[in-house]
Amino acid sequence: GQQLNQSPQSMFIQEGEDVSMNCTSSSIFNTWLWYKQDPGEGPVLLIALYKAGELTSNGRLTAQFGITRKDSFLNISASIPSDVGIYFCAGLFGGNQFYFGTGTSLTVIP
Amino acid sequence: DAGITQSPRYKITETGRQVTLMCHQTWSHSYMFWYRQDLGHGLRLIYYSAAADITDKGEVPDGYVVSRSKTENFPLTLESATRSQTSVYFCASNGQGAYEQYFGPGTRLTVT
Repeated sequence: GQQLNQSPQSMFIQEGEDVSMNCTSSSIFNTWLWYKQDPGEGPVLLIALYKAGELTSNGRLTAQFGITRKDSFLNISASIPSDVGIYFCAGLFGGNQFYFGTGTSLTVIP
Repeated sequence: DAGITQSPRYKITETGRQVTLMCHQTWSHSYMFWYRQDLGHGLRLIYYSAAADITDKGEVPDGYVVSRSKTENFPLTLESATRSQTSVYFCASNGQGAYEQYFGPGTRLTVT
C-alpha cells in the first residue's frame, strides 16, 4: 500500500502554544483529509482539502494541501486542553481508497 | 439520528471461531468501508463497498469476508479468527461524489 509519513509522532506542548504537524508521501494524492481521534472513539473529520495549494481553516485549525500534491500540513493555533488526542492525515489515492498516516499524538499541558 | 453505529463495541472470541461485526448507517451513503487500527500501522483498509451488492478488497483483506445486501448495512465476518486479527475495527461511510468519510465508534476485538 501507499506510505504516508506523519510527523512528529508525538508532541507535548503548553496550553496556548501553536502546533504544526505534517504528512508526506512519495505518491501524489488527489484529496487530503485530517482527522482527530479521542481515546476509545472513532476518528472525527476536521478538514478536507481537494486542490493543490488549497488552504482551509476550521476555527483554530488550518490545513494546507501541498503544491506538489505529496504532502499536507495541519496547524492548531492557541492550543487548549481539549485539543488532546491523536491526529491523522489521510490521502486519497486512485478512486476511493484512502491511506492513513500513523498519527501524531498531542498532549497539551495546562 | 444515530449516523453510523457498530456492534458489538467489545468482543472476545477464541481462535478458530467465526465472528461477525456489524455496521449500520442512517445517511443512505453509497460507500462503506471497514478498517482495522493497530499500533504502528494506523488505519488500514480491509474491504469497501460502492453500493449494495458491490464490494472490493482493500489493503489487508485476507481472512475477512463482507457482504452488502442493503445500502445501510455492511457486516464484516472473520470466518476463522486468528490472534493476528486482534485489533480495533472501524466502519466508515461517505456519499456518492463526496470524499469526506465518517467513522463509527469502533469494535475492539480480542482473539484468544
